[in-house]
Amino acid sequence: ETGVTQTPRHLVMGMTNKKSLKCEQHLGHNAMYWYKQSAKKPLELMFVYSLEERVENNSVPSRFSPECPNSSHLFLHLHTLQPEDSALYLCASSHGFVGPIAGQYFGPGTRLTVT
Amino acid sequence: SQQGEEDPQALSIQEGENATMNCSYKTSINNLQWYRQNSGRGLVHLILIRSNEREKHSGRLRVTLDTSKKSSSLLITASRAADTASYFCATTSYGKLTFGQGTILTVHP
Repeated sequence: ETGVTQTPRHLVMGMTNKKSLKCEQHLGHNAMYWYKQSAKKPLELMFVYSLEERVENNSVPSRFSPECPNSSHLFLHLHTLQPEDSALYLCASSHGFVGPIAGQYFGPGTRLTVT
Repeated sequence: SQQGEEDPQALSIQEGENATMNCSYKTSINNLQWYRQNSGRGLVHLILIRSNEREKHSGRLRVTLDTSKKSSSLLITASRAADTASYFCATTSYGKLTFGQGTILTVHP
């Protein structure tokens, strides 16, 4: 798990707050991902970055805004969230994007609660 | 139903027994992967099997893939209490990785 780190591990925010989630990978990978994991639902892919360019946005509401300043860092900026956005947000990285060939490496996640 | 459905949804066994989890999918795939997730933590990649492979081993893990039936199984032999976790299959198709809902495995000491 130490190859991909996420901060904070827990976050409680009101619906009018603005906060950011941070992900950092130390594996030399060139693709990074944001996933949302809600109870009793499959892992939902939110965004994919390959070589610092966004290559996939799975119809995610604009209140979620990703940023990838370099191949090692990925942010998820949050604003005016809804209670149903409460979930575990997972960051992952992989070597190569098209057809992940060696598996993705996940961070420990940020448990987000929107009040 | 969706790509990558695991069966059963929950499995409870005694330490030392074998655990078998199944995954079915719908579209053609490049590869299929299995992940483990301990409660509230990130996913850990366990094993990847390519579409042209039928069986793969890694330690106590054995994965099979039947592309004609669009199904895969994960066998954990001689289970341990530490194997208690959720297990997910994920399929790679056209550059996209899609996860199933997972099987919750509980191994009782």
